[in-house]
Amino acid sequence: KAGVTQTPRYLIKTRGQQVTLSCSPISGHRSVSWYQQTPGQGLQFLFEYFSETQRNKGNFPGRFSGRQFSNSRSEMNVSTLELGDSALYLCASSLQENQPQHFGDGTRLSIL
Amino acid sequence: DQQVKQNSPSLSVQEGRISILNCDYTNSMFDYFLWYKKYPAEGPTFLISISSIKDKNEDGRFTVFLNKSAKHLSLHIVPSQPGDSAVYFCAAKSASGGSYIPTFGRGTSLIVHP
Repeated sequence: KAGVTQTPRYLIKTRGQQVTLSCSPISGHRSVSWYQQTPGQGLQFLFEYFSETQRNKGNFPGRFSGRQFSNSRSEMNVSTLELGDSALYLCASSLQENQPQHFGDGTRLSIL
Repeated sequence: DQQVKQNSPSLSVQEGRISILNCDYTNSMFDYFLWYKKYPAEGPTFLISISSIKDKNEDGRFTVFLNKSAKHLSLHIVPSQPGDSAVYFCAAKSASGGSYIPTFGRGTSLIVHP
């Protein structure tokens, strides 16, 4: 069974640009969550989608947004990139909301 | 304000010995706890979990202990193996509170020496 797939694996952008990251959950999983991980920090929750609806949102500015499609694939978008947005962005999916999440390998975003 | 704290950024253990990773939490609403393991360049992998109705859960070499009164949990790995070298994240969530989003600690880097 294929795991959670995130593309691209690595991305380099400059300040002020915008970026879109993609996540394909495990087949059948309808809940998709996004996290940001920076050096020395734990995983900071960004948002969670279920059946195309955003159910939960973390404490991030409005420059961070996301969406989920009818096939459960999800994208997150960051506009007006800042140096502090450099991080590993992780996507996780779960079959049901009360089950452990399965993570992708992440997208490493570097802002120059 | 960190609700889940892993106060040891790193831990070094000899192969064959026990590794004990600690985690403290402050939110009394947390009732489900998980441990994830993360290798470099890979996403976290679920390891083991425990519900607040239990005080111990065991899976092979891995055992998680929960002390609700102290708001403390620990992960024991016995015996430790070099392949266990990774970053371990503790996470907690409040399922009964209607939120299934886990709150993560900052992780503890475990190094197991051969």
